[in-house]
Amino acid sequence: DAGVIQSPRHEVTEMGQEVTLRCKPISGHNSLFWYRQTMMRGLELLIYFNNNVPIDDSGMPEDRFSAKMPNASFSTLKIQPSEPRDSAVYFCASSSTGLTDTQYFGPGTRLTVL
Amino acid sequence: AQSVTQLDSHVSVSEGTPVLLRCNYSSSYSPSLFWYVQHPNKGLQLLLKYTSAATLVKGINGFEAEFKKSETSFHLTKPSAHMSDAAEYFCVVRGSNYKLTFGKGTLLTVNP
Repeated sequence: DAGVIQSPRHEVTEMGQEVTLRCKPISGHNSLFWYRQTMMRGLELLIYFNNNVPIDDSGMPEDRFSAKMPNASFSTLKIQPSEPRDSAVYFCASSSTGLTDTQYFGPGTRLTVL
Repeated sequence: AQSVTQLDSHVSVSEGTPVLLRCNYSSSYSPSLFWYVQHPNKGLQLLLKYTSAATLVKGINGFEAEFKKSETSFHLTKPSAHMSDAAEYFCVVRGSNYKLTFGKGTLLTVNP
């Protein structure tokens, strides 16, 4: 099993630019999570999808952030426009049928906004 | 509501000596508890999990953790540290739903 795949692994962009992060969950998993990790706030859940439907987006910081899951094997997290305070590591995780099943994490995308 | 406290932000041990990483939790429900490890510039890897079965949980790479309800603790141990164990370790609690609450992490340093 390839595990959760994220791309790109590193992204450097300038303030105001649009950033799109991508995630491919483990095949057969039907729950997908986006997290953000910063030194100040640790790991925070941004949004949770179940069967491609957003269930809880209460962690999304503001309207500049949006996430989609057009099918069971792909999700995107978009930031538009990006700001320096968005610099962080963004993780995608997936889990199988039960909502309480173990979450498996991808390698993360390190985003730097200049 | 649920929370988790990792009692040490940094633990330093010598190779071959025991490892103890401490974690206390609070939860309104019977919790599931996890330990994840993050090596530098890598993602989070599941070490072990407790989900109301045996209170002593064995994980990968020789790690184990004991769930103690009376102490609300879930400390992570390993009898003998290896250099490759150097990483950051996160204690995680999940309550009645999917939401994970992460501790702030413990950085483990292993000295030769």
